[in-house]
Amino acid sequence: EVQLVESGGGLVQPGGSLRLSCAASGFTFSSYGMSWVRQAPGKGLEWVSGLSGSSGSPDYADSVKGRLTISTDNSKNTLYLQMNSLRAEDTAVYYCANGFPRAPSEYWGQGTLVTVSS
Amino acid sequence: EIVLMQSPGTLSLSPGERATLSCRASQSVSSSYLAWYQQKPGQAPRLLIYGGSNRATGIPDRFSGSGSGTDFTLTISRLEPEDFAVYYCQQYGSSPRTFGQGTKVEI
Repeated sequence: EVQLVESGGGLVQPGGSLRLSCAASGFTFSSYGMSWVRQAPGKGLEWVSGLSGSSGSPDYADSVKGRLTISTDNSKNTLYLQMNSLRAEDTAVYYCANGFPRAPSEYWGQGTLVTVSS
Repeated sequence: EIVLMQSPGTLSLSPGERATLSCRASQSVSSSYLAWYQQKPGQAPRLLIYGGSNRATGIPDRFSGSGSGTDFTLTISRLEPEDFAVYYCQQYGSSPRTFGQGTKVEI
């Protein structure tokens, strides 16, 4: 059974940093691309970042480019999202999901809430 | 960036009725890399349709997707009580991957 479990969310001040983790199981993690998708309170879905499983090439939405970094540790089957210079508008539930670049997201984690506030 | 516009914003229907949801893209979506997701309150999205018209694993056949180019449609042939939710389209053929703003299907 495929499982994706996010962790690392919480309350952080504007300008601060946070690292999200997504532990994967039930599939060959290193062979698949992965994505981060976020959802601000009461709003729609926004794709944030993706990492290709084959080439290891990352991609980012313009809204986070230069502030967020996606990476993996294949020995731990874990996806990360390093979040720096956080802003109030980054407040959202962050989901990890499979699928990148040209694949849909069939599997999703339960999400982790990031709140950026003073 | 490909902008996806979903219509209507809200669809008010009754169980047993047919629902037709539209997703229009600002540019052609390459090779029908278009997916539909269902999301219920407090839950992660669930993949329904990929490649424009292919049902994901375990999705009932009352859900169907169609379209190509810039116009795509999700049809729910007979609404069940558990189908009342928000539906999003997503294109994953071009960077950045983008979602529509969602259509809420309510009773």
